[in-house]
Amino acid sequence: DVVMTQSPLSLPVTLGQPASISCRSSQSLVHIDGNTYLNWFQQRPGQSPRRLIYKISNRDSGVPDRFSGSGSGSAFTLNISSLEAEDVGIYYCMQGTHWPRAFGPGTRVEIK
Amino acid sequence: EVQLVESGGGLVKPGGSLRLSCVASGFTFSNAWMTWVRQAQGKGLEWVGSIKTKTDGVTTAYAAPVKGRFTISRDDSKNTLYLQMNSLKTEDTAIYYCIIECTSTICAPGWGQGTLVTVSS
Repeated sequence: DVVMTQSPLSLPVTLGQPASISCRSSQSLVHIDGNTYLNWFQQRPGQSPRRLIYKISNRDSGVPDRFSGSGSGSAFTLNISSLEAEDVGIYYCMQGTHWPRAFGPGTRVEIK
Repeated sequence: EVQLVESGGGLVKPGGSLRLSCVASGFTFSNAWMTWVRQAQGKGLEWVGSIKTKTDGVTTAYAAPVKGRFTISRDDSKNTLYLQMNSLKTEDTAIYYCIIECTSTICAPGWGQGTLVTVSS
C-alpha cells in the first residue's frame, strides 16, 4: 500500500509570511493515464474539509491564488505565499492513483 | 454548484448495522467515481472505500479495516451513493463524508457536511 507522509506536522507561521508543506508518497503517483492524482485539502477548525488543489497544481474554483501546489513523482509541496488568518487549519495531501487511496497525517498550520 | 448531502448517521450498538446515503447534485453523478471518507473525533481523514461508474463496471474497493463489513453501492437514477455498514465496531465511530473521485473524466470538488455515526453500547 502507498504510504503518505507530511512534514512538518505542525507549522507556526507569522501572518503575512510564507508557509510550505511537504508531502511524500512511498511510490510514484504517476497514473498509467499520465495524470498524477495528488490532491490537497484544507480543514478549518470546526468545518468540513474542502479541496484546494487537484492533480498536483490545479487550484479549485474560489481558492485564493496565494495557494499553489508543485511537485512530481513522489514529492509534492503546498505553498501559501502570504499567510492570512483564515488559513489556520489542518492541511492533508491525498493520493488518488493507487488502491487503496491514502491521506497524509495532516499538517496543522497556526499563527505564530 | 456541486452539492453532496449525507444522511443516515446515528447511534448504534456494537454489532449493529446502519445505511448512510449521499445525495448528489450539480454534476453528472453517473459519470463520477465516488468515495466515502471518515474522520474520528480529533483524528485525521481516512479513506473508507470507493465505487466506480457503471461504464467502469461499478467496481468497488475498500480499506482493510472495513472490508467484508461495509458495502458501497449507487443508484444513478436517484443520484445517490450508499454505504451499508454491518457488524459495526466502536472504532467505526466517526463523521462520514462522501466525495467525488478525481479521474480523467470528472475532477469536481465537493464535500458535504458529513453524517455522524456513533457506535456505543
